[in-house]
Amino acid sequence: EAGVAQSPRYKIIEKRQSVAFWCNPISGHATLYWYQQILGQGPKLLIQFQNNGVVDDSQLPKDRFSAERLKGVDSTLKIQPAKLEDSAVYLCASSPPYRILTNYGYTFGSGTRLTVV
Amino acid sequence: DAKTTQPPSMDCAEGRAANLPCNHSTISGNEYVYWYRQIHSQGPQYIIHGLKNNETNEMASLIITEDRKSSTLILPHATLRDTAVYYCIVRVGDYGQNFVFGPGTRLSVLP
Repeated sequence: EAGVAQSPRYKIIEKRQSVAFWCNPISGHATLYWYQQILGQGPKLLIQFQNNGVVDDSQLPKDRFSAERLKGVDSTLKIQPAKLEDSAVYLCASSPPYRILTNYGYTFGSGTRLTVV
Repeated sequence: DAKTTQPPSMDCAEGRAANLPCNHSTISGNEYVYWYRQIHSQGPQYIIHGLKNNETNEMASLIITEDRKSSTLILPHATLRDTAVYYCIVRVGDYGQNFVFGPGTRLSVLP
């Protein structure tokens, strides 16, 4: 089974520029998550999709961050304009559409490391 | 906020058992205990989860106390590749709820 694919792997931008990250979840996984992980901290949820609908975006800084999941498969997370404090690893995860979580929990991608200078 | 408390770091000698503790004194009856680990430059990886019985799989064992207020993840024969940050998370076993990660325990396996 292919894992969660993310691109790019690394990105360096200047503050006030825009950037986009892409995620392709595991085939058949209805739920998709974007997490932000600042150095030395655990991942923090930004947004959760169920198919192409948003379930939870309460921690997404909506003045600069946006995310979409068209057709309920791939997802894109965008930051515009970026700030220095946005430097972090952005992780995408997916899980299957079971009522009770399977033994596999979530599957995470390797993330995109963003550096804002 | 995370509902668990873990030591920030631990060391373990290669080949020995690594015992990682986790306190979750406010756990509810329908909340599971999950363990994930994150190796440098990778996303978190699922290890094991349990409700109230002890669990074992090919990666680790999970021991949950009878009152469910704490648990221990056991890596029976730690290798250098087990060096990682280990996260203990409590969560209702429902697809609709996300995982809340704390800072975890940084385990260093020493040669």
